[in-house]
Amino acid sequence: GAGVSQSPSNKVTEKGKDVELRCDPISGHTALYWYRQSLGQGLEFLIYFQGNSAPDKSGLPSDRFSAERTGGSVSTLTIQRTQQEDSAVYLCASSSDRGLAGNTIYFGEGSWLTVV
Amino acid sequence: GNSVTQMEGPVTLSEEAFLTINCTYTATGYPSLFWYVQYPGEGLQLLLKATKADDKGSNKGFEATYRKETTSFHLEKGSVQVSDSAVYFCALRGGATNKLIFGTGTLLAVQP
Repeated sequence: GAGVSQSPSNKVTEKGKDVELRCDPISGHTALYWYRQSLGQGLEFLIYFQGNSAPDKSGLPSDRFSAERTGGSVSTLTIQRTQQEDSAVYLCASSSDRGLAGNTIYFGEGSWLTVV
Repeated sequence: GNSVTQMEGPVTLSEEAFLTINCTYTATGYPSLFWYVQYPGEGLQLLLKATKADDKGSNKGFEATYRKETTSFHLEKGSVQVSDSAVYFCALRGGATNKLIFGTGTLLAVQP
């Protein structure tokens, strides 16, 4: 597609339920990122996929969070047993690089998650 | 580890005023530096970037120069417009990691 596509754009869920957020990166992009943007918290790195390498999961806040990337393209971020503090905008981004730090990273519109 | 520090907001200016948003960084090696902008109700988008020391990134009248000696990448614009009202994020990538690391963001409000 023309840009990074995320779904759903908005999700309201009850505390304790599991949620899945989907990201379709720009076609051909080998690098994929998930970030979280909370009110007053800035942009928090969650996880990074680069090609076939093991993902960098160092930003995942707890073991309730997991992500996978199938076939080197689409990615799903899963949050189990959601808590109210998980409410945030979850941003996906992709890049065409192969380890080139100067390449531009493109962001999707985000998935707004509200846990009630 | 790598980190980015940018000036706290909000910054409120009158139209046509000069803008500076300070950004300094800590990194191993030679990172690439970025400014991203988030307009109200929109997604995050790249404003400008610089990939090596003394490079100047520029776009839409905004400029930032990669200063290795002061580890800074301050954003400037000579004459802001109401349409520049947004949140601006300084970021770096590279060194020991390919993660894009962001500052906390600076809200800019430009009044007519």
